[in-house]
Amino acid sequence: GAVVSQHPSWVICKSGTSVKIECRSLDFQATTMFWYRQFPKQSLMLMATSNEGSKATYEQGVEKDKFLINHASLTLSTLTVTSAHPEDSSFYICSARDYPAGKQYEQYFGPGTRLTVT
Amino acid sequence: QKEVEQDPGPLSVPEGAIVSLNCTYSNSAFQYFMWYRQYSRKGPELLMYTYSSGNKEDGRFTAQVDKSSKYISLFIRDSQPSDSATYLCAMSAGNQFYFGTGTSLTVIP
Repeated sequence: GAVVSQHPSWVICKSGTSVKIECRSLDFQATTMFWYRQFPKQSLMLMATSNEGSKATYEQGVEKDKFLINHASLTLSTLTVTSAHPEDSSFYICSARDYPAGKQYEQYFGPGTRLTVT
Repeated sequence: QKEVEQDPGPLSVPEGAIVSLNCTYSNSAFQYFMWYRQYSRKGPELLMYTYSSGNKEDGRFTAQVDKSSKYISLFIRDSQPSDSATYLCAMSAGNQFYFGTGTSLTVIP
């Protein structure tokens, strides 16, 4: 099956610094990538949808200047949390699909990145 | 009204029990219906998908879709401790995916 990787799997950063999370599709072309945030024992919260070569579409309430998303190639998307604060501490998960070429039910998730801001 | 409603549980059952997980939805445009399993601190993994109405069976798992009632179910037979996870339903229309809140399941040995 399709594989999506994320790096790093766990990162600790100081308040005020920026941190970049990478999401890669290893064996398929990810024309669309999604970024989610998940708090403990809560569901996935979609932050933004990015299509390769286009600007990301952010969900209501998500600050685009704080969560910078770049989807420059068909295999890589990055999420940069700028000027991180402790309330940004969360589990960030990316997913990818090949739309519309891929099957409608296909969306492959990365293993997630745990961000802790001290 | 949310696009997808799912009872968050938690649900706790003894090993060997039959588990029923359910979701309701409001958008009649949904055509694909998926169930994902997420272990703690891991990304969700696709468990099963169903196109339109009907049943689909895969081992101990059965997915059912009733489009007339806008209701989907996942049944787990002979539940095992390894089935303990959060189960999320999802539905798609075009390039949009909609997830339920997830149901936390614990299977007690």
